[in-house]
Amino acid sequence: LAKTTQPISMDSYEGQEVNITCSHNNIATNDYITWYQQFPSQGPRFIIQGYKTKVTNEVASLFIPADRKSSTLSLPRVSLSDTAVYYCLVGGGGGYNKLIFGAGTRLAVHP
Amino acid sequence: EADIYQTPRYLVIGTGKKITLECSQTMGHDKMYWYQQDPGMELHLIHYSYGVNSTEKGDLSSESTVSRIRTEHFPLTLESARPSHTSQYLCASSGGQTFYTFGSGTRLTVV
Repeated sequence: LAKTTQPISMDSYEGQEVNITCSHNNIATNDYITWYQQFPSQGPRFIIQGYKTKVTNEVASLFIPADRKSSTLSLPRVSLSDTAVYYCLVGGGGGYNKLIFGAGTRLAVHP
Repeated sequence: EADIYQTPRYLVIGTGKKITLECSQTMGHDKMYWYQQDPGMELHLIHYSYGVNSTEKGDLSSESTVSRIRTEHFPLTLESARPSHTSQYLCASSGGQTFYTFGSGTRLTVV
């Protein structure tokens, strides 16, 4: 299973765009890149998933360069309610996707 | 919107008691997982199942046991609860897609 590295914490202000970058140098050919959001005392919530290039949904965008060794989660115009821990994971290829969570990035959005 | 349910949401119990944490999903997912998470810390995989009558231990050693008699049900049991078992327990499932759906968790306190 590929290991990921992401910043431990980030700070932002309401209305700003936040970009969280994740490194995954050992990503396998059939691995997907998935981001989750977790609020205190709740289970992680799926945000976005991609394999290559760019993926966008109503919540976020995910940018993946051609070599797939990193990815960037982009949150447009954050609000206080976006304060949470964000996890980057790689895996899922082959159908037996035992995901291993790292420490994640603690995002604090300030007024 | 979640189709995976965990009960109870909170549980305070005395040392030595037997407890079962319930997890059910209505999505027909074949894969289910249990994670343990202490406050402010990482999620650790303690059990997983790829289908009925299939269970495996995860990466974090746990004194708990699990069973998978029905596709939709994946209960976790502690035969004799101890204060060291105090934690949040998160259940997740996945099917044909490559990302997990998590429940809201059970926060267990053993006194």
